[in-house]
Amino acid sequence: GEEVAQTPKHLVRGEGQKAKLYCAPIKGHSYVFWYQQVLKNEFKFLISFQNENVFDETGMPKERFSAKCLPNSPCSLEIQATKLEDSAVYFCASSQSQGTGELFFGEGSRLTVL
Amino acid sequence: QKEVEQDPGPLSVPEGAIVSLNCTYSNSAFQYFMWYRQYSRKGPELLMYTYSSGNKEDGRFTAQVDKSSKYISLFIRDSQPSDSATYLCAMRGNQGGKLIFGQGTELSVKP
Repeated sequence: GEEVAQTPKHLVRGEGQKAKLYCAPIKGHSYVFWYQQVLKNEFKFLISFQNENVFDETGMPKERFSAKCLPNSPCSLEIQATKLEDSAVYFCASSQSQGTGELFFGEGSRLTVL
Repeated sequence: QKEVEQDPGPLSVPEGAIVSLNCTYSNSAFQYFMWYRQYSRKGPELLMYTYSSGNKEDGRFTAQVDKSSKYISLFIRDSQPSDSATYLCAMRGNQGGKLIFGQGTELSVKP
């Protein structure tokens, strides 16, 4: 597609439940990035992929967060046993190339943990 | 100290004013500099993209990069109420990978 598509737009989970978010990058883009934005605060990098391979996972809270980008499927970000502090907007972005490409963002998925 | 510093504002200007938004950074490896605009409850929209030092103009928007001072700017001429949004600077190095964002500046343009 011509834009980064994220689903769902909104997700509400009780504390301890699992949450799974999806992202379809722009067609032809090899790099996918996940960011977390809490309230109006800055963007926190979580993880990036080059095609289906993890490129950089330095921002991922390893205990409960996992992510995948499989061929012919949307990328996913999964949070096991959600906590209140996971409430945020999760943005996905895609880029055509590693070093020089601009990042194009989706509209975000708003996760509310109650 | 954060890698990228940006005054969060809020900044309020009258319609027609020239707006200047700025970021400073500490990592000399940054080579690619971007400005994003984010409306409330929306994703960031890429406004300007520049490589290394220099100026770039697109309509009412001008981006400037001064690598020697580690300072980037975005100028908005003839500002409009529709420019009211949060403006985020972002940058990355030659090795690619993640963008590092500033905190964002909230701009309000009053009619």
